[in-house]
Amino acid sequence: DVVMTQSPLSLPVTLGQPASISCRSSQSLVHSNGNTYLAWFQQRPGQSPRRLIYKVSNRDSGVPDRFSGSGSGTDFTLKISRVEAEDVGVYFCVQGTHWPPVFGPGTKVDIK
Amino acid sequence: EVQLVESGGGLVQPGGSLRLSCAASGFTFRNYYMNWVRQAPGKELEWVANIKPDGSDTYYADSVKGRFTISRDNPKSSLYLQMNSLRAEDTAVYYCARGFDHMFDFWGQGALVTVSS
Repeated sequence: DVVMTQSPLSLPVTLGQPASISCRSSQSLVHSNGNTYLAWFQQRPGQSPRRLIYKVSNRDSGVPDRFSGSGSGTDFTLKISRVEAEDVGVYFCVQGTHWPPVFGPGTKVDIK
Repeated sequence: EVQLVESGGGLVQPGGSLRLSCAASGFTFRNYYMNWVRQAPGKELEWVANIKPDGSDTYYADSVKGRFTISRDNPKSSLYLQMNSLRAEDTAVYYCARGFDHMFDFWGQGALVTVSS
């Protein structure tokens, strides 16, 4: 199976400041159809996961534009341009290119 | 609005069985792949099982193969997970998640399954 890693695993941030989370895969996530199936999810405390980004850089409906995704191949990044209090939670990446789908370990974002 | 509501979680002894249900609404259920994903305490999310829109094919993680069965009832817009021979390591919150274009999009609120004597 593909192995997904994230760094950092814990990210204390200052309100209004940017934040960046890295996700790396053990194999290229470029599918034979040319798409790259890498998504980012947010899980707020006590809630179920909510998808923020799909296919590397596409923001889901209703997701604030302070969230952005980038990357290619095996190296991906989720950026929050200015962290707000409601952004506290765990962020994880997941790959859907290779079977079975595999999740990253998650990055816990909290406020300093 | 897409809604997925799991039910059927609870406490079960090792070796026991439990059946989870997921009631779907807000979309045409019969058109979508559906999944079960679980999150054990303090651990990473783990995909458990997947079923095609018409129920003709199912797929399982190695950790549950032969013990768990995913099924669906399209007229009732419902997804199920029959869990047999449960082990302590199956303790987790189980989520049903809709699949679309090689990825999960919407998730339910989860059902807690605790396997303990």
